Amino acid sequence: KAGVTQTPRYLIKTRGQQVTLSCSPISGHRSVSWYQQTPGQGLQFLFEYFSETQRNKGNFPGRFSGRQFSNSRSEMNVSTLELGDSALYLCASSWGAGSSGANVLTFGAGSRLTVL
Amino acid sequence: KNEVEQSPQNLTAQEGEFITINCSYSVGISALHWLQQHPGGGIVSLFMLSSGKKKHGRLIATINIQEKHSSLHITASHPRDSAVYICAGHFGNEKLTFGTGTRLTIIP
Repeated sequence: KAGVTQTPRYLIKTRGQQVTLSCSPISGHRSVSWYQQTPGQGLQFLFEYFSETQRNKGNFPGRFSGRQFSNSRSEMNVSTLELGDSALYLCASSWGAGSSGANVLTFGAGSRLTVL
Repeated sequence: KNEVEQSPQNLTAQEGEFITINCSYSVGISALHWLQQHPGGGIVSLFMLSSGKKKHGRLIATINIQEKHSSLHITASHPRDSAVYICAGHFGNEKLTFGTGTRLTIIP
């Protein structure tokens, strides 16, 4: 079966612009979570969506937002980009949410964002 | 504060050696993940566990809830096991908090 698909894989933006990243989960998975990975901070949790509802949000400014559609696809948006937003953005999907036993995560390949 | 610490940060071993990577966390968790990340960024979930022990092939993960500690073991290590191994805990608020990772290099 198809894995988790993230688009675009690479993108370059300039400071002040905004960006939208997309994540298509494995068919049947209703939970999508997003993560930021940087060399300095490592992996950090951004948000988790389950059945179109945001269950949890990490400690990121309001410039970071997301949503989930009825087909479980998810998007995240970063507005007013800063240099420090350069990172690998990963999404993961799972059948269940949170720490439920069904929450084995399947990760996408990531979207690598460079902010100039 | 929810914290996850891993040790060692870097580990180099000869092919065939038994590998142990440790993960400690500050407060109680509801579940813990072990992840593997190869160069290029791809992350694979190895285990999710909330108690006891799980085994998959040459990989074994254990968790001791009372001691707030988990270990990942690799038996008969192979160069293809070279990767960064990351543990992550679901704390009370269910947000995942990640360790800083252990970079494992297996020399043929």
